[in-house]
Amino acid sequence: IQMTQSPSSLSASLGDRVTITCRASQNIDNYLNWYQQKPGKAPKLLIFAASSLQSGVPSRFSGSGSGTYFTLTISSLQPEDFAAYFCQQSYGTWTFGQGTKVE
Amino acid sequence: EVQLVESGGALVQPGGSLRLSCAASGFSFSNYAMSWVRQAPGKGLEWVADISAKADSTFYADSVEGRFTISRDNSKNTLYLQMSNLRAEDTAVYFCAKQQRLDGILYHDYWGQGTLVTGSS
Repeated sequence: IQMTQSPSSLSASLGDRVTITCRASQNIDNYLNWYQQKPGKAPKLLIFAASSLQSGVPSRFSGSGSGTYFTLTISSLQPEDFAAYFCQQSYGTWTFGQGTKVE
Repeated sequence: EVQLVESGGALVQPGGSLRLSCAASGFSFSNYAMSWVRQAPGKGLEWVADISAKADSTFYADSVEGRFTISRDNSKNTLYLQMSNLRAEDTAVYFCAKQQRLDGILYHDYWGQGTLVTGSS
């Protein structure tokens, strides 16, 4: 299953609403997770099952979608949110999107 | 606190072998399936291998099938990745990650900091 993220990078300012899109090459129901990764660090789980917020993750992060189209939204961008974001499907063998860098 | 600490990364010549380790703490290691995921320099994430909680099932990406072996020692709370016949394209940071399942949906809720494997002559 191929996962296609867009955009590959985006430029945003503090307080902006940011939306990242992830498309699956086939139906994956809600088997979709989102991760944040900062340079030189391990990925951090933000959202699982398309829309469930991982414990400890700020509520400005939200996920939506099902089937083949998914979005990750940051409602008001904070300084610590400048990072790369990856989607991941677990419907079949794990695959990841290519990532979106928020600058 | 859940901790996953990888070790064993090194510079290895093509065709060489290496064993990575991941020491787990802060959770009941023997109850959870585990994964290895890698990231080539400046690139995205690529799943490498999975192992079930009791080590009775293993799964591999096509790119490493037949060359890499995932294993675990639940008595030592440690996950391993035996890598052989290494290629330049295996150069990456290798992360171990703990699997979680909720309502049938799998995800990786904790990741280690990674260990760098460089395949170069």
